[in-house]
Amino acid sequence: NAGVMQNPRHLVRRRGQEARLRCSPMKGHSHVYWYRQLPEEGLKFMVYLQKENIIDESGMPKERFSAEFPKEGPSILRIQQVVRGDSAAYFCASSRPGTPETGELFFGEGSRLTVL
Amino acid sequence: DAKTTQPPSMDCAEGRAANLPCNHSTISGNEYVYWYRQIHSQGPQYIIHGLKNNETNEMASLIITEDRKSSTLILPHATLRDTAVYYCIVRVVFKDDKIIFGKGTRLHILP
Repeated sequence: NAGVMQNPRHLVRRRGQEARLRCSPMKGHSHVYWYRQLPEEGLKFMVYLQKENIIDESGMPKERFSAEFPKEGPSILRIQQVVRGDSAAYFCASSRPGTPETGELFFGEGSRLTVL
Repeated sequence: DAKTTQPPSMDCAEGRAANLPCNHSTISGNEYVYWYRQIHSQGPQYIIHGLKNNETNEMASLIITEDRKSSTLILPHATLRDTAVYYCIVRVVFKDDKIIFGKGTRLHILP
């Protein structure tokens, strides 16, 4: 049973380019969460999605960032016109709907974005 | 904002028990206490959770005070691989909501 899969693990972009980060949740999980971790800082919540719905995007920057979780395929975090301040590790987590006891989030190993 | 308070860092000798405290004085009756850890550069890892009873699994034990205003995570025989940032989180389980991470405790296991 594969865990949460994120790709690419490392991504280098120049300022102004677009970055697309992908997250495949664990089998049977339909809830996805994205977090960002700047160098030497803590994990910051960005967005929570269910299939085809954004449930909570209170942590998403107002511009350049978007996320989707289509009916088929992985969740995608998209960053347009990247700037150096976007350099960070982006972690995805998934959970199972209606889990009565654990509410556990399973995290991927992250995608590390470097903006030159 | 995180609803928990943890010491920023702690040291523990290898082989000894590591006791990580957490204050959550405003915890609600339907909120569970969760512990996660993040080993350097890796994704966070679930450790244990509890409501009001003490809990134990293969990784750790969780001791929750009777008034539920604080708890302690115990790693019974710490190894160098337990060096990580440990996060104490309170959340409602039946509500599929985000986890808000605080600053956590950076645990150093000393050889």
